[in-house]
Amino acid sequence: AQKITQTQPGMFVQEKEAVTLDCTYDTSDPSYGLFWYKQPSSGEMIFLIYQGSYDQQNATEGRYSLNFQKARKSANLVISASQLGDSAMYFCAMSPISSGSARQLTFGSGTQLTVLP
Amino acid sequence: EAGVAQSPRYKIIEKRQSVAFWCNPISGHATLYWYQQILGQGPKLLIQFQNNGVVDDSQLPKDRFSAERLKGVDSTLKIQPAKLEDSAVYLCASSLFGSTGELFFGEGSRLTVL
Repeated sequence: AQKITQTQPGMFVQEKEAVTLDCTYDTSDPSYGLFWYKQPSSGEMIFLIYQGSYDQQNATEGRYSLNFQKARKSANLVISASQLGDSAMYFCAMSPISSGSARQLTFGSGTQLTVLP
Repeated sequence: EAGVAQSPRYKIIEKRQSVAFWCNPISGHATLYWYQQILGQGPKLLIQFQNNGVVDDSQLPKDRFSAERLKGVDSTLKIQPAKLEDSAVYLCASSLFGSTGELFFGEGSRLTVL
């Protein structure tokens, strides 16, 4: 079984500053993937970034980067140069990786990010 | 490319009534998921289909919830009879079979049970 913990229910950041959203996980699976999704008030889940457990480098996608520390079981999301449109709920999720199977995501409870002008 | 389509977007019913939600995944996506998201919580998997077969329905309350995916494309999630605690957003998602990529989500169907 997998468990995702997001300890920050809400975060505030000033526009143009960087912010880190925390995520820790627990799993007994030898291979797994870590995901971050953004959920604006409209409700749709928008994929941001993915990190495989065996990836040597931290994943980056534009202004998003994933600070992956395997020994600490953490997968924090860093958003650089925050924009007003980044205000949303952010979810960390994970899935085991096994040959031939499709993803099955387990989500954390989310962090509500508010970007201040 | 068209995204995951869901309907209705909103539904209000009284307890003990029934409701059905429909999902049309992205074309070519063999895997389809239904998630339940209660206000203030992360989504929780209810059921996962691979084509028209069930892969995992261990968290589906089978006494009141049912889901089907006829012909391996569209899917319907039904609740009968509804309880107050079923008030939630029901999210449908799809992905390519065997993909290491992400799940693609629809906008969800928001259910309020009075």
